[in-house]
Amino acid sequence: DARVTQTPRDKVTEMGQEVTMRCQPILGHNTVFWYRQTMMQGLELLAYFRNRAPLDDSGMPKDRFSAEMPDATLATLKIQPSEPRDSAVYFCASGAPGTSGSYEQFFGPGTRLTVL
Amino acid sequence: AQSVTQLDSHVSVSEGTPVLLRCNYSSSYSPSLFWYVQHPNKGLQLLLKYTSAATLVKGINGFEAEFKKSETSFHLTKPSAHMSDAAEYFCVVKMDSSYKLIFGSGTRLLVRP
Repeated sequence: DARVTQTPRDKVTEMGQEVTMRCQPILGHNTVFWYRQTMMQGLELLAYFRNRAPLDDSGMPKDRFSAEMPDATLATLKIQPSEPRDSAVYFCASGAPGTSGSYEQFFGPGTRLTVL
Repeated sequence: AQSVTQLDSHVSVSEGTPVLLRCNYSSSYSPSLFWYVQHPNKGLQLLLKYTSAATLVKGINGFEAEFKKSETSFHLTKPSAHMSDAAEYFCVVKMDSSYKLIFGSGTRLLVRP
């Protein structure tokens, strides 16, 4: 049963600390997405990759956030330094074109980040 | 530019009664449309998708949605609600020229016993 995995599931940290979230996409999927979900803003796309290359990171605060794909099985989202307003659930999703021109994204369980 | 509007932030139904969650989209081209469900403290799960094949799309757990181009709508329905259907539902449109998804603001479905 292929699925997207994310670690850690929960993270509590103090303001100013570095936070790294990891995602393992479904094997064979060539696109990876990072989303942030908050009560106020809903689901926001932060960045996404295709074939490990960043295609769009316009939704991501560049001064403190960075996203990378060191290899096809690992995507990372890093916040340095973290701030209380970064508290949210961060979702990773992976996808690939399907049959008949269809396409869908498969979401991981999320990382709940709390910055004190 | 593509966008999607979910007309109700909350919908409350009694168990066993029909469910209707409304969604209108805006797209320059023939869109790809999706409904995702999110149960409390869980990730998002795909319910169903429309990709220019049949206009009536059947999904998991008895849900279905009808693509109506003339009304630019993609409403989600289920004949009989179950307690386990209580969750947040997102209507989503895929941007034509990329893999980006545009999410609606979500509709929280409450199911009363």
